[in-house]
Amino acid sequence: DAGVIQSPRHEVTEMGQEVTLRCKPISGHNSLFWYRQTMMRGLELLIYFNNNVPIDDSGMPEDRFSAKMPNASFSTLKIQPSEPRDSAVYFCASSLTLLKQYFGPGTRLTVT
Amino acid sequence: GENVEQHPSTLSVQEGDSAVIKCTYSDSASNYFPWYKQELGKRPQLIIDIRSNVGEKKDQRIAVTLNKTAKHFSLHITETQPEDSAVYFCAASIRGGATNKLIFGTGTLLAVQP
Repeated sequence: DAGVIQSPRHEVTEMGQEVTLRCKPISGHNSLFWYRQTMMRGLELLIYFNNNVPIDDSGMPEDRFSAKMPNASFSTLKIQPSEPRDSAVYFCASSLTLLKQYFGPGTRLTVT
Repeated sequence: GENVEQHPSTLSVQEGDSAVIKCTYSDSASNYFPWYKQELGKRPQLIIDIRSNVGEKKDQRIAVTLNKTAKHFSLHITETQPEDSAVYFCAASIRGGATNKLIFGTGTLLAVQP
């Protein structure tokens, strides 16, 4: 049984470029979460969706970040333009109950 | 705002000893408390969770206790093994509008010395 799938696993880009991270939740799960993890700030919730609808985006750091969930099996997190301080590991997680969350393998983003 | 405090930030124990990690939450409406284990370079993995209507839950060498009055909950690992070495995160549910989300603690780096 497939878990949460994220792509790419690693992304290196130059400052100013657009970055798109992708996530496929566990089949049947109706909630999806985007987290950012850094040494300084720990694990931060950026945004979450319930039944494909954004519920809480209060963690999105600024307008350069946007997220979409066009259907139940796919979500994207976009950063445009990217900055070096966006370097982090970005995790996607999915849940059936909004509480018991299962994490994907993460995308390690490096912005130079 | 709501937060979850976690202590200690690092913990070193000898193999076979017990390890205890403690968390405190601020939202009295929190009703779900999971613990995640994250090995180096890997994803956080749910290892045990507890709901507010239960005071203690065990799963083999791992147990979680909850004190709702004091708003504390703890992870207990007995007979530690080197493979228990990882970062452990606690979390508490926070009610936001009509739905819930999790607020994570800052993590505890557990090192089990062989």
